[in-house]
Amino acid sequence: DIQMTQSPSSLSASVGDRVSISCRTSQSITTSLNWYQQKPGKAPKLLIYRASSLPSGVPSRFSGSGSGAAFTLTISNLQPEDFATYFCQQSYRTPITFGPGTRVDIK
Amino acid sequence: EVQLLESGGDLVQPGGSLRLSCAVSGFTLTNYAMIMSWVRQAPGKGLEWVSGIGDATGSTYYTDSVMGRFTISRDTSKNTVYLQMNNLRAEDTAIYYCAKGQSAWDFHSWGQGTLVIVSS
Repeated sequence: DIQMTQSPSSLSASVGDRVSISCRTSQSITTSLNWYQQKPGKAPKLLIYRASSLPSGVPSRFSGSGSGAAFTLTISNLQPEDFATYFCQQSYRTPITFGPGTRVDIK
Repeated sequence: EVQLLESGGDLVQPGGSLRLSCAVSGFTLTNYAMIMSWVRQAPGKGLEWVSGIGDATGSTYYTDSVMGRFTISRDTSKNTVYLQMNNLRAEDTAIYYCAKGQSAWDFHSWGQGTLVIVSS
């Protein structure tokens, strides 16, 4: 199975900050990496797919980069509605695996 | 508009069975290269992919911990995906989400989830 790690596990930031979350995989997955945002009591929402593509409706302050085994989610100009937990997920092969999550709190 | 609606979650004793349903609308289940998955989340924990079904032949996929106990299926006439769960264990307790893969395993759409509690 492909193992996923995320760092940091949590962070505190202020509105307007630029935030970066790292995701690493146990083997190369090319660009088969997705990012999700989840708020308490809600289903996850796709933010980035194939490492750097934005689904329609996702604000452009969200961006993704990376390939191989190292990836980054960046949120520029953090907004109040962005305080949530973020998960990465590899779509390279089954079993599909998710990272443990990064919680973004208000400082 | 794509919509996914899960149902069937309940409190069940260890060793018991349950069938979850995911009724979909806004698309058809036979779209080539599209895979429907079940993803679960134990209370206060992260996301775990459980099973998927897709492509024109209805190929199925499972994570190791549910292999032989869970069965995913679909009824294209009812636009519904099912997850039959047998021999349930306490560690199967979770919210179960239905998710639509736009192209295989990119989960672009999710349902609201259904809660399964396995406890005596």
